[in-house]
Amino acid sequence: EAGVAQSPRYKIIEKRQSVAFWCNPISGHATLYWYQQILGQGPKLLIQFQNNGVVDDSQLPKDRFSAERLKGVDSTLKIQPAKLEDSAVYLCASSGARSAGELFFGEGSRLTVL
Amino acid sequence: GENVEQHPSTLSVQEGDSAVIKCTYSDSASNYFPWYKQELGKRPQLIIDIRSNVGEKKDQRIAVTLNKTAKHFSLHITETQPEDSAVYFCAAWTGGGADGLTFGKGTHLIIQP
Repeated sequence: EAGVAQSPRYKIIEKRQSVAFWCNPISGHATLYWYQQILGQGPKLLIQFQNNGVVDDSQLPKDRFSAERLKGVDSTLKIQPAKLEDSAVYLCASSGARSAGELFFGEGSRLTVL
Repeated sequence: GENVEQHPSTLSVQEGDSAVIKCTYSDSASNYFPWYKQELGKRPQLIIDIRSNVGEKKDQRIAVTLNKTAKHFSLHITETQPEDSAVYFCAAWTGGGADGLTFGKGTHLIIQP
């Protein structure tokens, strides 16, 4: 089966610019997650969707980050305006009903903010 | 919320020796504990997991143990090989509505030839 797809793989922007990342989860997976992984650290959950509804966005910096999953399938994460500390890899993951808790990750989108 | 501590941050072992990475968690409701391996520039890949109804699970050279009373779990890799070099993350999952995994900070495992 196809894995989690993400794009773009790499993005370099100036601070205060905006950027958007796209994710397409594994077919049939109702739950979608966005994680932020700063160099040398473990992934940190930003937001979790169940179908097209937000389950947890408690760690999402809502003044600059937004995410949507309008049709319950693919999702977009946006940052506007970007700060230097947003430089990280943004990982999308999905999970299905068959194995609770088991996440399948995409390759990630590496953001560099200059 | 859940908090996961992982030690050591770096572990260097001779090829063929064993490696042990330890994690503790804070939320007694957590019931699923996966381990991910991440090679440089790649996605985290699940290598082994354990649920709270068992104390140990083994898959070839890799094993995970869980002590629910003490709230800690460990990854054991025997007969280490150069391809085991990577960053390893432990994680804990509580389930319920908001059920994203909480990750440790990672252990950089270096296999010395």
